[in-house]
Amino acid sequence: GQQLNQSPQSMFIQEGEDVSMNCTSSSIFNTWLWYKQDPGEGPVLLIALYKAGELTSNGRLTAQFGITRKDSFLNISASIPSDVGIYFCAGQRGGYQKVTFGIGTKLQVIP
Amino acid sequence: GAGVSQSPRYKVAKRGQDVALRCDPISGHVSLFWYQQALGQGPEFLTYFQNEAQLDKSGLPSDRFFAERPEGSVSTLKIQRTQQEDSAVYLCASSLYRQGRIGKDTEAFFGQGTRLTVV
Repeated sequence: GQQLNQSPQSMFIQEGEDVSMNCTSSSIFNTWLWYKQDPGEGPVLLIALYKAGELTSNGRLTAQFGITRKDSFLNISASIPSDVGIYFCAGQRGGYQKVTFGIGTKLQVIP
Repeated sequence: GAGVSQSPRYKVAKRGQDVALRCDPISGHVSLFWYQQALGQGPEFLTYFQNEAQLDKSGLPSDRFFAERPEGSVSTLKIQRTQQEDSAVYLCASSLYRQGRIGKDTEAFFGQGTRLTVV
């Protein structure tokens, strides 16, 4: 079953607002990943984080790998309608870097 | 190809029917994963291949599920005697990962998935 606690599970925001979502785990991960999934599509990788404390940006997206290696957050600035979708955090660990997913955050942007 | 390709995109099966789902990973990717995603949930791990070797099948829910990757490239997930609870999206992912290597190029890239509906 799921080992990652992701919150919030859903969000309704106004276009232009900033968004923050986070993920916590009882276990340590080597890598944290953030994916976005649109309806009927597979998850698309947004950001990958490799080191504890690392802060990485990709356009309007910013994500951080927690110091304890048990948590991560994703921020989206100045949201736009195409940001709508489900965002998943995921952690990688183990001999072959198995990916474990959170339950997802469903984001709705009101124009 | 440029990305992970899965086929078919949609499959409707009658209960008891066998199905086969195909995954073409990104060329050169050593690692291949299969995941099952139920409605409203995150993907759940099924099985892992490194080249042609199936190193982990701990997530396969029953012995009706079988996966293979005979030549270390294309993989097939087979479900025998399908049941309604097998209805889900089946996702395939691949990565460059080789054991002992951590960091860039170990990220997993996913295909669009196959939506299986068992009626």
